[in-house]
Amino acid sequence: DADVTQTPRNRITKTGKRIMLECSQTKGHDRMYWYRQDPGLGLRLIYYSFDVKDINKGEISDGYSVSRQAQAKFSLSLESAIPNQTALYFCATSESDRGFQPQHFGDGTRLSIL
Amino acid sequence: SQKIEQNSEALNIQEGKTATLTCNYTNYSPAYLQWYRQDPGRGPVFLLLIRENEKEKRKERLKVTFDTTLKQSLFHITASQPADSATYLCALDEAGNMLTFGGGTRLMVKP
Repeated sequence: DADVTQTPRNRITKTGKRIMLECSQTKGHDRMYWYRQDPGLGLRLIYYSFDVKDINKGEISDGYSVSRQAQAKFSLSLESAIPNQTALYFCATSESDRGFQPQHFGDGTRLSIL
Repeated sequence: SQKIEQNSEALNIQEGKTATLTCNYTNYSPAYLQWYRQDPGRGPVFLLLIRENEKEKRKERLKVTFDTTLKQSLFHITASQPADSATYLCALDEAGNMLTFGGGTRLMVKP
């Protein structure tokens, strides 16, 4: 089983709909992240959480919200989806030890907004 | 403005040759630099990390160099194989908490 699981893997929806993307992990990591990936732009950070009571905005948080329901679960919501939010979305986790830790990614959710 | 640049054009090489990918950055002072591999339809997978005070790091057929004067990292795959074909992403971390990613370079290794 995957250590970082994202659901759904694919989603097509219409403008104005509310959408939730879910991420769960079995790695026991405290830190969790949401990114979006667009062709040629790399991964851009939307929100991150360093523990259950911690939520922080990333580079491109407008139009998005998150909830950290437990150490293992971090969900991303689009309150009213718009077409330019069509992208590949990734959840990642990392340990919170001293020094830098690599990030572990899920396999992404491909979101299309019509 | 801050920028991380990787060659957006695909790199095509012959099996057995050494692949060299470049990551250049502007207006960053990274404490760490990392390289990830991404296959189609999959999330990035961590490969190597190099610290600002390290010039070179190796892992099996992989080698990373980090030149803070040139503001550049080079990623080498020696004796490349078709299975090495993927997109490779570099990522910078300035403070030990957050990663900023480049756009990635697609590598194609032909048999």
